[in-house]
Amino acid sequence: GESVGLHLPTLSVQEGDNSIINCAYSNSASDYFIWYKQESGKGPQFIIDIRSNMDKRQGQRVTVLLNKTVKHLSLQIAATQPGDSAVYFCAEKAGGGNKLTFGTGTQLKVEL
Amino acid sequence: SAVISQKPSRDICQRGTSLTIQCQVDSQVTMMFWYRQQPGQSLTLIATANQGSEATYESGFVIDKFPISRPNLTFSTLTVSNMSPEDSSIYLCSALQGSDTEAFFGQGTRLTVV
Repeated sequence: GESVGLHLPTLSVQEGDNSIINCAYSNSASDYFIWYKQESGKGPQFIIDIRSNMDKRQGQRVTVLLNKTVKHLSLQIAATQPGDSAVYFCAEKAGGGNKLTFGTGTQLKVEL
Repeated sequence: SAVISQKPSRDICQRGTSLTIQCQVDSQVTMMFWYRQQPGQSLTLIATANQGSEATYESGFVIDKFPISRPNLTFSTLTVSNMSPEDSSIYLCSALQGSDTEAFFGQGTRLTVV
């Protein structure tokens, strides 16, 4: 994969551990949030979303938490597997619009 | 969700030339978007491709440099004009099937300008 010029923060976890990836957003008008996973050489893939009227949503092995007070979003991955190694992006959408604004991204590395 | 196909998947181009990237969705979508992603960085929205009318560009992106077409509800093109090495990046097509839903993405076009 592409590593030259990589500026993303990195989270390294042991296989089987839980991972927590954090994201801060700035627009208080944002009312819809999405987590994407991007593997090397591929486009972003939808993982889970949450609307601003919720503070927690669970999927298969993943949980998203939303704290609107401090404008913070997190993605928890349970029992992290090697296949979870990727870059994870949060994205936000302001109410009434359709444009997504992406966060910086976090590189997750799963160590065996 | 629908499937997006982008062509080409990668290209190496000479500076001063132009490249047109195609985006085909396998079902009708309400909105289509073009993003740029420089190596190791996040995605930046270039423009919203509007069907039957001029695209809506984000700050820092202009039609002369990035002309966009969307002739129907399943197809769009992005042209990167008069390329320079600074245009080397991944260009991604995205679409929405309805309002207030997640956007899905093509696999991207990796462009290198030499």
